[in-house]
Order: sequence, then structure tokens, then C-alpha cells
Amino acid sequence: QKEVEQDPGPLSVPEGAIVSLNCTYSNSAFQYFMWYRQYSRKGPELLMYTYSSGNKEDGRFTAQVDKSSKYISLFIRDSQPSDSATYLCAMSAFPGGGADGLTFGKGTHLIIQP
Amino acid sequence: EAGVAQSPRYKIIEKRQSVAFWCNPISGHATLYWYQQILGQGPKLLIQFQNNGVVDDSQLPKDRFSAERLKGVDSTLKIQPAKLEDSAVYLCASSLDAWGNEKLFFGSGTQLSVL
Repeated sequence: QKEVEQDPGPLSVPEGAIVSLNCTYSNSAFQYFMWYRQYSRKGPELLMYTYSSGNKEDGRFTAQVDKSSKYISLFIRDSQPSDSATYLCAMSAFPGGGADGLTFGKGTHLIIQP
Repeated sequence: EAGVAQSPRYKIIEKRQSVAFWCNPISGHATLYWYQQILGQGPKLLIQFQNNGVVDDSQLPKDRFSAERLKGVDSTLKIQPAKLEDSAVYLCASSLDAWGNEKLFFGSGTQLSVL
């Protein structure tokens, strides 16, 4: 079993829809959870950063962490074509990854249809 | 604020050749990382520097990969000799503090194709 599982997609939804992206993990030591957005031929860009369980909202984006289920989600409201990208979940036992670095999922390729 | 700079953007080489990548982190950032991202995968940490010292290189294939960070600023990653399976995007990232406890900022990466 991989440490972090993420459905690679592609996930295609119409503009304006609510998008739900998810990751599951197996390492109970993970306490810091991130979502990165990666456009084609670009590096990952940090979208959301959360600690432990709970919700965090930033504009149209909401991150949820359920440590008891080892499950994290990213919701995008009122999705726009500019949201089309690959979304990577990442997690670690330390804030920036510590000596082990971040553990990433494979990424979900999201397509928002105009 | 300028981001993490990497060069070259693209590199095509034949197997058994050598190649080097360069990274200039965000000014003042103490920690620098090299990640490898194979097509369809998430990035995987190769090596982490704290200032100019290596924090962790346990996932660096040391028989062919080497990296250095001179004067605690710029860094180079070298592959010699390259193998087909080294085809990937090599991402450099940096973070502010010296213990890897701050958010990471990534460069655009160098896409390497080994033929």
C-alpha cells in the first residue's frame, strides 16, 4: 500500500460546478496537509496548508482533514476554466516536511469545461 | 519577490551522458530541496540542504547523482551517467527557515529526457 493514494483522473466537470478532490494516507504520523496546484510545465504552487483535523477555507477553496479516517479533501466552489490543472495533495509529520520532505500523491488532473 | 529560478528549462541527452541542473532559491531562504517528478507521479525528495549542509540525501542514487550548494545559496544537481529511467522533471524548492519547518516554494523545474 502506497503512503498516499490519489485518483489521477482526469476529472472533467462543467464550469460553475463544485469540485471534490481527495487523498487517503496510511502514515498516522502525518499532521501537516497541503494541496498544491500544478499547471502544465510549471512547478507546484501551494494552495492550502492545514494542520491536524478540521476545515480551512480560502475564497473558493475549502480543505478538510479527517485524521481518524486518514482522508483529506479539497473542495472548489464555482469552478472556473482557469482552475484546470493537476492538484497534488502532500503531507508530512513536520511543518515543511522536516528531514524527510513532503510525501505527495500522484495528483488529480482536473478539467473545467467552459 | 522573485521566485525560485531554475535552468535549463529543458534538456535532451542520450543515455550514459552527463547533465547538470542549476537552482537559485528565493533570497534569504535557508533550506533548499531537489525533487524528482516522473510523468504521472507526485514529486519525490532527492536531497535537502540546510544552508550549505546536507540534511537528508537518503533517496539520492549516489552512484550517479550528486548535488552541492555552494555558499548556502545556489545549488547544482548532476547526473553522470544518465539512464533512461532518469527522464523526469527536476524541481528545486526552497523554504525560509533552516529546519524545513516552513512552506515550500517550487521553481518551474527542468524537464529531462534521456534517449
